Amino acid sequence: DTEVTQTPKHLVMGMTNKKSLKCEQHMGHRAMYWYKQKAKKPPELMFVYSYEKLSINESVPSRFSPECPNSSLLNLHLHALQPEDSALYLCASSQVGPTNEQFFGPGTRLTVL
Amino acid sequence: LAKTTQPISMDSYEGQEVNITCSHNNIATNDYITWYQQFPSQGPRFIIQGYKTKVTNEVASLFIPADRKSSTLSLPRVSLSDTAVYYCLVGDRSSNTGKLIFGQGTTLQVKP
Repeated sequence: DTEVTQTPKHLVMGMTNKKSLKCEQHMGHRAMYWYKQKAKKPPELMFVYSYEKLSINESVPSRFSPECPNSSLLNLHLHALQPEDSALYLCASSQVGPTNEQFFGPGTRLTVL
Repeated sequence: LAKTTQPISMDSYEGQEVNITCSHNNIATNDYITWYQQFPSQGPRFIIQGYKTKVTNEVASLFIPADRKSSTLSLPRVSLSDTAVYYCLVGDRSSNTGKLIFGQGTTLQVKP
């Protein structure tokens, strides 16, 4: 199984809502990532988890809260988002290390009203 | 991480070979070069990675000159399904993380 799955595919939320994005992989990868991608722009790294511990936070606002409950799952909890946070949120996984191929999921299309 | 520069867009026709060049003048000794492909509304997909000279796989070839200040992704005999954005990335082999910094990418349009 070389697939990274993400749910939901689409999400519409108000600025006062709390929601979560979910990501799952069963490739035995111990590094997992969250990226944000705006339309016609490249993906931007948000967070990196290595062995279920947060190793990189790219100065992401606290309204985004990542969680890695086990080696197969990665969540991104959303609270009090702004309309400018509307984007495609991509999850990826890889073996730990700088040169390893990252496997991306299809993303969650988030719209904040 | 070294900054990369690629053409914003390229056009080609089916059956042609496409070469996309990436400039990375400030590449460091420990840096490796990786290319990803992204279709609309999908996550990026790894294509190829190299450190020096030439690397070839079933999808593409990667040419890296001796000074490593640029690299060229070569796609043989493209088809309509190769229409996508292609990203060149330069990463540090000596770091402990898989931190990917995507450049602006090259949008390849393959025409019939």
